[in-house]
Amino acid sequence: DVKVTQSSRYLVKRTGEKVFLECVQDMDHENMFWYRQDPGLGLRLIYFSYDVKMKEKGDIPEGYSVSREKKERFSLILESASTNQTSMYLCASSLAGQGTAGELFFGEGSRLTVL
Amino acid sequence: AQKITQTQPGMFVQEKEAVTLDCTYDTSDPSYGLFWYKQPSSGEMIFLIYQGSYDQQNATEGRYSLNFQKARKSANLVISASQLGDSAMYFCAMRVMYSGGGADGLTFGKGTHLIIQP
Repeated sequence: DVKVTQSSRYLVKRTGEKVFLECVQDMDHENMFWYRQDPGLGLRLIYFSYDVKMKEKGDIPEGYSVSREKKERFSLILESASTNQTSMYLCASSLAGQGTAGELFFGEGSRLTVL
Repeated sequence: AQKITQTQPGMFVQEKEAVTLDCTYDTSDPSYGLFWYKQPSSGEMIFLIYQGSYDQQNATEGRYSLNFQKARKSANLVISASQLGDSAMYFCAMRVMYSGGGADGLTFGKGTHLIIQP
């Protein structure tokens, strides 16, 4: 069964802390994504990666960075967390070479609260 | 830039009725894919259905069908014979392939909160 695992379901951090959100997929997918979900705004793409060590900015990359050192792992980093980064973060992966098809497989989400 | 619009923030529907969730999109790329996802209160995103821009027929998956009207740039989701378990957030999304290769993430609409009433 396909699986995308996010390391923490719930996190509470303080303003200014460095935050790591980890995501691991076991499907050998080339593509991995980080989204944030906020009420009334839907899902917005932060960063994505189509290969190890490759990364591309999405629609809202400011305040975030990512790391992909291994194919199965994609990390989202908040260098200095701020209260406006309180949100639900969703990791997803997909197989390359699917053209416009190729569904995204999502993790269960990490709900981050920054105090 | 690609854009997805879902104009219904919320809907209440009686059980067993059919439901149509609206989705319009905007893109200048001739090749694109359209997706619908369901997100129950538990939070996981569940893929429902896919339609490619060159597909001649509307996609169907069980009780789900996609009413694809290319000229109108609409991709409405139709749920037949709704059930209580269909209560959830529903997101329309679009993927566009760049000619340079690589991957592009899905662009999502803001979602429709569907509530099925007994």
